[in-house]
Amino acid sequence: AQKITQTQPGMFVQEKEAVTLDCTYDTSDPSYGLFWYKQPSSGEMIFLIYQGSYDQQNATEGRYSLNFQKARKSANLVISASQLGDSAMYFCAMRYNFGNEKLTFGTGTRLTIIP
Amino acid sequence: GAVVSQHPSWVICKSGTSVKIECRSLDFQATTMFWYRQFPKQSLMLMATSNEGSKATYEQGVEKDKFLINHASLTLSTLTVTSAHPEDSSFYICSARRGGQGQYFGPGTRLTVL
Repeated sequence: AQKITQTQPGMFVQEKEAVTLDCTYDTSDPSYGLFWYKQPSSGEMIFLIYQGSYDQQNATEGRYSLNFQKARKSANLVISASQLGDSAMYFCAMRYNFGNEKLTFGTGTRLTIIP
Repeated sequence: GAVVSQHPSWVICKSGTSVKIECRSLDFQATTMFWYRQFPKQSLMLMATSNEGSKATYEQGVEKDKFLINHASLTLSTLTVTSAHPEDSSFYICSARRGGQGQYFGPGTRLTVL
């Protein structure tokens, strides 16, 4: 069975510092995709970044980068130069078996940026 | 980017009534849409996969007779919570699949059953 684990229920980070949100996954499928979503208090799910299991390089999107360590089955999200607007819930998700578009979500990490 | 809307954004209803939630892909066609439920301070749990023109596929433990899904067109899927009870109070989020670009999420619907 596919499983996503986020071990940090909450994090507090000083504004302008970098932050790493942990995510580990478990799957026996060779083809899978890993996503990070941001959910502010309004509830909408905002797509941040995507990493495919066959991608050779770590994904980057502006201030977001994904530290993909395939052997360790980890896909940590790194946010550089954090901003107050980054305060939100962050979910790691996995799509397994391409063609099967289902997503399995982790339990989330609540990030709070301190001014 | 792709836009998915949900209506209503929030709804309060009495126990025993039915509530319909709409999910629309505004600028693309979606043959597949997904319905999730999120309880307070918890993660998203997939309820069902909605396929245009065919029956929805429900996840284990989700009552298909209680959560009716209709995907009548390429831009609209509806979730009807029948005979709602207070334990059905939750945040319901839909997403729409756009080709190989993954899922785009709607803003969610907060349901409160009194």
